[in-house]
Amino acid sequence: GQNIDQPTEMTATEGAIVQINCTYQTSGFNGLFWYQQHAGEAPTFLSYNVLDGLEEKGRFSSFLSRSKGYSYLLLKELQMKDSASYLCAVHNDYKLSFGAGTTVTVRA
Amino acid sequence: EPEVTQTPSHQVTQMGQEVILRCVPISNHLYFYWYRQILGQKVEFLVSFYNNEISEKSEIFDDQFSVERPDGSNFTLKIRSTKLEDSAMYFCASRLGTGEPLDFGAGTRLSVL
Repeated sequence: GQNIDQPTEMTATEGAIVQINCTYQTSGFNGLFWYQQHAGEAPTFLSYNVLDGLEEKGRFSSFLSRSKGYSYLLLKELQMKDSASYLCAVHNDYKLSFGAGTTVTVRA
Repeated sequence: EPEVTQTPSHQVTQMGQEVILRCVPISNHLYFYWYRQILGQKVEFLVSFYNNEISEKSEIFDDQFSVERPDGSNFTLKIRSTKLEDSAMYFCASRLGTGEPLDFGAGTRLSVL
């Protein structure tokens, strides 16, 4: 079985930084992905970690610790358009399994 | 930029009817997937497909569901006898290979009345 946990909601101010944590327990592990999903739209790829450490991609960074079953997504210099759901997803075997998503609301 | 395309964008059907949801994955991708998302809930895995056969399927993917790759471009999901609880957004996705992200289509919203 598998379990992927992330907070349900977070609120932050425009220009601030927000960190979304994800913990997972899965039967296999071939990498961890973060996706962004706006309401009514498809998930879009943000970042991928397969080795421990930090991956930086512009305003977005993602960190992975395989031994702790832990990842986080860091969003810097928040903009209003970053208001969305952020999905943590673990790749194992032949599928990508998603967490329930964290809804981030950016306030002016 | 190549993308996964899905048709129709919205399908309305009566309970008990058969529906076929269509997808054209990105042309050089090798792995194909169907996911669903009930309104307000998480994205749920249904089935993965590689080398012309199902690689893995979830408990949701029971005998009422089937997938097919009838030619070199299309990838379809058939629901034989729809139930009210099948109402959801269905996403098709494809992936080039290991370590690559899944690219999702825009989805088909299925409404079962």
